[in-house]
Amino acid sequence: NAGVMQNPRHLVRRRGQEARLRCSPMKGHSHVYWYRQLPEEGLKFMVYLQKENIIDESGMPKERFSAEFPKEGPSILRIQQVVRGDSAAYFCASSPTAETGNTIYFGEGSWLTVV
Amino acid sequence: AQSVTQLDSQVPVFEEAPVELRCNYSSSVSVYLFWYVQYPNQGLQLLLKYLSGSTLVKGINGFEAEFNKSQTSFHLRKPSVHISDTAEYFCAVSLPGGTSYGKLTFGQGTILTVHP
Repeated sequence: NAGVMQNPRHLVRRRGQEARLRCSPMKGHSHVYWYRQLPEEGLKFMVYLQKENIIDESGMPKERFSAEFPKEGPSILRIQQVVRGDSAAYFCASSPTAETGNTIYFGEGSWLTVV
Repeated sequence: AQSVTQLDSQVPVFEEAPVELRCNYSSSVSVYLFWYVQYPNQGLQLLLKYLSGSTLVKGINGFEAEFNKSQTSFHLRKPSVHISDTAEYFCAVSLPGGTSYGKLTFGQGTILTVHP
């Protein structure tokens, strides 16, 4: 059973470009979470999605960032007009349900570098 | 809002020595507690979690943690470390409730370095 798959693992973008990060949850998991790890900081929650629904986006920056989890295909975290401060590791996690006790499984992360 | 403080940013230790990584949390309500490990350029792996019941929780790779409600702590321990335990360790909390469980609040991390 494959784990949480994230791609690309490393992405370099110039300032002003768009970055798209993809996350395929574990098989059978319909709940996806995105976290960001900035240099010298811990991981911060960004957004929680179920299929076709955003459940909690309280950690998402108000501008330039969006996330989706369509009925078919991976979850996408999209960053428009990237700036140097967006350089970070972005982690996706998944769980089968939101039921207490479920293990939240993390992917290996996507490292975004903005030059 | 809840918060997590990991009291040591770096912990150096010699191989086969015991180690304790400290974690304190702040919350006005009951929380669930987790320890994750992150090896370089990899994702996070769950070591153990406390949801309820016995305050001593055993996890993978010989790690254990003890929940202390009065001191709001959840320290991670291992009686004898190996070189392969060198990694960054994160303490995290989440709140009960369907949409809150997976919304983790992490500490800043503790880098454990095991020397031969």
